[in-house]
Amino acid sequence: DGGITQSPKYLFRKEGQNVTLSCEQNLNHDAMYWYRQDPGQGLRLIYYSQIVNDFQKGDIAEGYSVSREKKESFPLTVTSAQKNPTAFYLCASSMFRTRANYGYTFGSGTRLTVV
Amino acid sequence: GQQLNQSPQSMFIQEGEDVSMNCTSSSIFNTWLWYKQDPGEGPVLLIALYKAGELTSNGRLTAQFGITRKDSFLNISASIPSDVGIYFCAGQYNTDKLIFGTGTRLQVFP
Repeated sequence: DGGITQSPKYLFRKEGQNVTLSCEQNLNHDAMYWYRQDPGQGLRLIYYSQIVNDFQKGDIAEGYSVSREKKESFPLTVTSAQKNPTAFYLCASSMFRTRANYGYTFGSGTRLTVV
Repeated sequence: GQQLNQSPQSMFIQEGEDVSMNCTSSSIFNTWLWYKQDPGEGPVLLIALYKAGELTSNGRLTAQFGITRKDSFLNISASIPSDVGIYFCAGQYNTDKLIFGTGTRLQVFP
């Protein structure tokens, strides 16, 4: 079955360390997105990519980095420059060039905790 | 970044009651979507709307695309405990990025 997979489900990081969250999709979607969700809050866009080898900053990109070397993969690195990284991270994907907008397909999320 | 105004922010209801929530925007969209997020999971698409005035159902859920194209509504009839979660609206204009609402947290008591 096609889908979008995030790993790991839970991640613990020591202060000052970088950590990379994985996101893989086999839906043949062009675009991929990373969101951050804090308790009781909505979704805030970190980075997005509409095509391989290209990506754009979202609303809260500071302290994060991404790469898009393959269509299927869009890893997110949380760097030590991110002052408050503890949050729930969601990856999503979508078809970009279509008149029928079916929205985004989300992964099941990664909960990152800084210890 | 822009977020849509979604209300109410939270709801505490008894099993069997009907639920209504809405979402408003300052700009027009040509697609409205409603998602549900279970605790600790990613949002899942419930209903997609593509035409102003459109009314679409999915089981006990009914959603409407507002005539002005600046709002949308979601109704849940005869709520059950598994309806618990956060409901997000999202609007899209052509192939622009989705704009999400702030979410409505629903709690259902037996």
